[in-house]
Amino acid sequence: EAGVVQSPRYKIIEKKQPVAFWCNPISGHNTLYWYRQNLGQGPELLIRYENEEAVDDSQLPKDRFSAERLKGVDSTLKIQPAELGDSAVYLCASTPGTLNTEAFFGQGTRLTVV
Amino acid sequence: QKEVEQDPGPLSVPEGAIVSLNCTYSNSAFQYFMWYRQYSRKGPELLMYTYSSGNKEDGRFTAQVDKSSKYISLFIRDSQPSDSATYLCAMKGRDDKIIFGKGTRLHILP
Repeated sequence: EAGVVQSPRYKIIEKKQPVAFWCNPISGHNTLYWYRQNLGQGPELLIRYENEEAVDDSQLPKDRFSAERLKGVDSTLKIQPAELGDSAVYLCASTPGTLNTEAFFGQGTRLTVV
Repeated sequence: QKEVEQDPGPLSVPEGAIVSLNCTYSNSAFQYFMWYRQYSRKGPELLMYTYSSGNKEDGRFTAQVDKSSKYISLFIRDSQPSDSATYLCAMKGRDDKIIFGKGTRLHILP
């Protein structure tokens, strides 16, 4: 069974440019998370989806970040415009959606803003 | 005070030693506790998952949860150089929001 798939693996962009990350969760997993991980830090939650509904986006900087999960499967996270401080690894994770199950992570997208 | 505290290390131990990694937390609503291993330039990989207080063993790994002290531990027996990685503790309550520690960098010296 395929795990959580993210693309691209690496992205280098100039500041003020837009960027988008894509995530395909494990088949049948209803809950999807986007995390940001800065160097030397643990992952920090940006947004959580239950199917196509964003149930927790309190940590998402909504002035420049947006996310969608159409049809409750794949998800896209977008930054527009990117800032130098957005350089980080963006991780996607999924769970089946029941409370007592663990989250499985993708390999992440490493973003460098120059 | 952050919800989850974890010493970032680095922690260096000789091969074959027992490793002890720890996290403390402040939110008494946390019920599910996880340990992830993260190699450089990789996503976190789930190692152990426990519910409530007690011990859980899986091969060389033992996870321990003490909810009364808000303290969790991961023990690695017979440590190997391949265990060198960053170890992240994570926990969640019934709201399904997973909160991570900063991660502890572990080096196993051959």
